[in-house]
Amino acid sequence: GESVGLHLPTLSVQEGDNSIINCAYSNSASDYFIWYKQESGKGPQFIIDIRSNMDKRQGQRVTVLLNKTVKHLSLQIAATQPGDSAVYFCAENGRGGSNYKLTFGKGTLLTVNP
Amino acid sequence: DGGITQSPKYLFRKEGQNVTLSCEQNLNHDAMYWYRQDPGQGLRLIYYSQIVNDFQKGDIAEGYSVSREKKESFPLTVTSAQKNPTAFYLCASSKISGMSYNEQFFGPGTRLTVL
Repeated sequence: GESVGLHLPTLSVQEGDNSIINCAYSNSASDYFIWYKQESGKGPQFIIDIRSNMDKRQGQRVTVLLNKTVKHLSLQIAATQPGDSAVYFCAENGRGGSNYKLTFGKGTLLTVNP
Repeated sequence: DGGITQSPKYLFRKEGQNVTLSCEQNLNHDAMYWYRQDPGQGLRLIYYSQIVNDFQKGDIAEGYSVSREKKESFPLTVTSAQKNPTAFYLCASSKISGMSYNEQFFGPGTRLTVL
């Protein structure tokens, strides 16, 4: 069946370290992936997205890597700051056609220690 | 400011009552969505709409209803038929541009508690 999941439910890092959050997907037809950050009690905030014709995309302090061979997605945060503490979700929208539904993973809680 | 607003932020309901959650966007987005989030869980799609006067059921539509009379508005009604309505409800919207996908922008959410 189709699913989007995360390898690690929690991640604790020291301030200034790099963080890597992983996500696995099972739908080989997936062609669009997106990462969101959600702070407690707030709505998810867009971080970065990537389409299946790319392997890597960089933003400000964030990089998303896509490995279609093993159906794996990762989010790298450089020089992690306390403000990065949140739950991070990956989502995929890969059913093709005009279907605009997103399927979300359960999320990884990132805690940044000062 | 452009964005998505949801109201109220907190909502309390007695069992057996219907309640309606508001969602408004001024981003000129065609598509709007409702999600439910339970503690420690990801988002599950309730309903979505790609155009005015049209909407589709998501993965957990039972016990919910929606309307899309205006492009800017997509209210969600939680009916008494929904057995476990206590949750955090999130509204989102996105552009529709041909066959390409676009990120969904989320509102701040409404926390519904059934007493």
